[in-house]
Amino acid sequence: KAGVTQTPRYLIKTRGQQVTLSCSPISGHRSVSWYQQTPGQGLQFLFEYFSETQRNKGNFPGRFSGRQFSNSRSEMNVSTLELGDSALYLCASSRGPGETQYFGPGTRLLVL
Amino acid sequence: EDQVTQSPEALRLQEGESSSLNCSYTVSGLRGLFWYRQDPGKGPEFLFTLYSAGEEKEKERLKATLTKKESFLHITAPKPEDSATYLCASRQDNTDKLIFGTGTRLQVFP
Repeated sequence: KAGVTQTPRYLIKTRGQQVTLSCSPISGHRSVSWYQQTPGQGLQFLFEYFSETQRNKGNFPGRFSGRQFSNSRSEMNVSTLELGDSALYLCASSRGPGETQYFGPGTRLLVL
Repeated sequence: EDQVTQSPEALRLQEGESSSLNCSYTVSGLRGLFWYRQDPGKGPEFLFTLYSAGEEKEKERLKATLTKKESFLHITAPKPEDSATYLCASRQDNTDKLIFGTGTRLQVFP
């Protein structure tokens, strides 16, 4: 069974640009969550989607947004990039809310 | 505020030298305590979920236990391939929001 896939794996952007990251969950999984991982803050929850609806949101500015499609695939968008947005962005999928989450390999974003 | 604290930050072990990693949590109404392993440049790999005090789970050289305030990950006779960062996370409700600790970086030397 294929795991969670994330594209792209690496990305370099400049301040002020915007970026869209993509996540394909494990087949049959309907919940997708996003996390930001940095050396200083560790793993921090961004948001959670189930059945195309955002169920929960972490403490991040409105520049961070996401969506989920009818096939459970998800995208997250960061607008007006700042240097501090440089991080590993991880997507995790589960069968449904409250089930065990399985993580993808992440997208490493560098903002210059 | 809900919090998860892991100790030690880093641990160096000789191959075969058993030890334990600690995870303290202050989540009210715990709905799951999770352990993940993360290798450099990769996403976290699921290891265990514990739900109630007294519960134990084992996988190869790893054993996770849970009390009302802490969880321990015991590593018995570790091998160099056990070297990784071990992450602990709590969940307080039936959502997918996990609160992670900052991890314990384990290095096992031959």
